Amino acid sequence: QVQLVQSGAEVKKPGASVKVSCKVSGYTLTELSMHWVRQAPGKGLEWMGGFDPEDGETIYAQKFQGRVTMTEDTSTDTAYMELSSLRSEDTAVYYCATEDTYYFDYWGQGTLVTVSS
Amino acid sequence: QSALTQPPSASGSPGQSVTISCTGTSSDVGGYNYVSWYQQHPGKAPKLMIYEVSKRPSGVPDRFSGSKSGNTASLTVSGLQAEDEADYYCSSYAGSNNRNVFGTGTKVTVL
Repeated sequence: QVQLVQSGAEVKKPGASVKVSCKVSGYTLTELSMHWVRQAPGKGLEWMGGFDPEDGETIYAQKFQGRVTMTEDTSTDTAYMELSSLRSEDTAVYYCATEDTYYFDYWGQGTLVTVSS
Repeated sequence: QSALTQPPSASGSPGQSVTISCTGTSSDVGGYNYVSWYQQHPGKAPKLMIYEVSKRPSGVPDRFSGSKSGNTASLTVSGLQAEDEADYYCSSYAGSNNRNVFGTGTKVTVL
């Protein structure tokens, strides 16, 4: 059984960056395809990007390209999502989730990122 | 990539059925059999309910079923129970560039 445990809530100022972590247990990160999904307050789910096992590369939604970086530390089975140039519209709960043939089967508990001056 | 279209709300009495639609295009829902559905209770992470249009993960009650016709996918919850009251989101593969797109979400209320 895969378990994903994310880092705690963050408060950032506009223009800053935030890095959210997602620790995997039950499997190794190399066995999984990790993706990131966010949800603004009262809004729907939005896919941000993740690892594409077909290409062996990380792919990003067009909306976030140039501003988001997703990395993995296989020595600690921890995935990271860093979002830069934060603005108020980036206030959201950020989820890590594992992907299996284009569906998300395991989810982290979510990390609230608040962007406020 | 635009979000898939879902009705904002749906409701039914206990024991009744409710069906939620998810409308996309031939570039996503209509083009692939990779539609999935997620249930989300307030303050909780989404939970996978249906994948590949109509398959149920282990542990999901068979009251939940999925189907697709053309560019529209549907989730049916039969024998509604109080614990089914939640937000539901569809998702579809949308090609190698956009990969995954979610629906706008539907709030299901059990009357």
